[in-house]
Amino acid sequence: EAGVAQSPRYKIIEKRQSVAFWCNPISGHATLYWYQQILGQGPKLLIQFQNNGVVDDSQLPKDRFSAERLKGVDSTLKIQPAKLEDSAVYLCASSPRPFRLAGSYEQYFGPGTRLTVT
Amino acid sequence: LAKTTQPISMDSYEGQEVNITCSHNNIATNDYITWYQQFPSQGPRFIIQGYKTKVTNEVASLFIPADRKSSTLSLPRVSLSDTAVYYCLVGDRRDTGRRALTFGSGTRLQVQP
Repeated sequence: EAGVAQSPRYKIIEKRQSVAFWCNPISGHATLYWYQQILGQGPKLLIQFQNNGVVDDSQLPKDRFSAERLKGVDSTLKIQPAKLEDSAVYLCASSPRPFRLAGSYEQYFGPGTRLTVT
Repeated sequence: LAKTTQPISMDSYEGQEVNITCSHNNIATNDYITWYQQFPSQGPRFIIQGYKTKVTNEVASLFIPADRKSSTLSLPRVSLSDTAVYYCLVGDRRDTGRRALTFGSGTRLQVQP
């Protein structure tokens, strides 16, 4: 079974530029997550999708971050414009369990995209 | 927003048992406690998940007391390849009644020969 795919693996941009990350979850997984992981910290949830609907985006900086999951499969996360503090690894994860089923968080993570904003 | 708390780091030797505890005082009623392992430049990897009492799989055990405000990940007979950062993940109960997925700060385990 193929794992969660993410691209690009690395990205370097200047502040105020825009950037987009792509995620392809494991086939059949309805729930998809985007996390931001700053060096030395645990992952921070940015947004959670159930199929193509948003379940939780309370920690997404909506003035500059956006995400979509068209057709309930692939997802893209965009930052526009980027700030220095956005330098981090952006992780995508998927889960076979619907969010509303009893708080189970067995997630499968991709390798992440390391973003450096200069 | 309530925090999950873990020790920052732990050291061990090959062959020893390692126990890592996570404190999660505000866990949502119906939520499981999930533990992940992360190596450098990789995404976290699922280790084990439990709701109460004890859960065991081929790589670890998870102990959860009755009040569920903490949990302990137990790694039997660690090897050098177990050197990694370990995270607990719970759904914190918010004042709004909704849950927020919250990773702990992570415990860096260093296993020495």
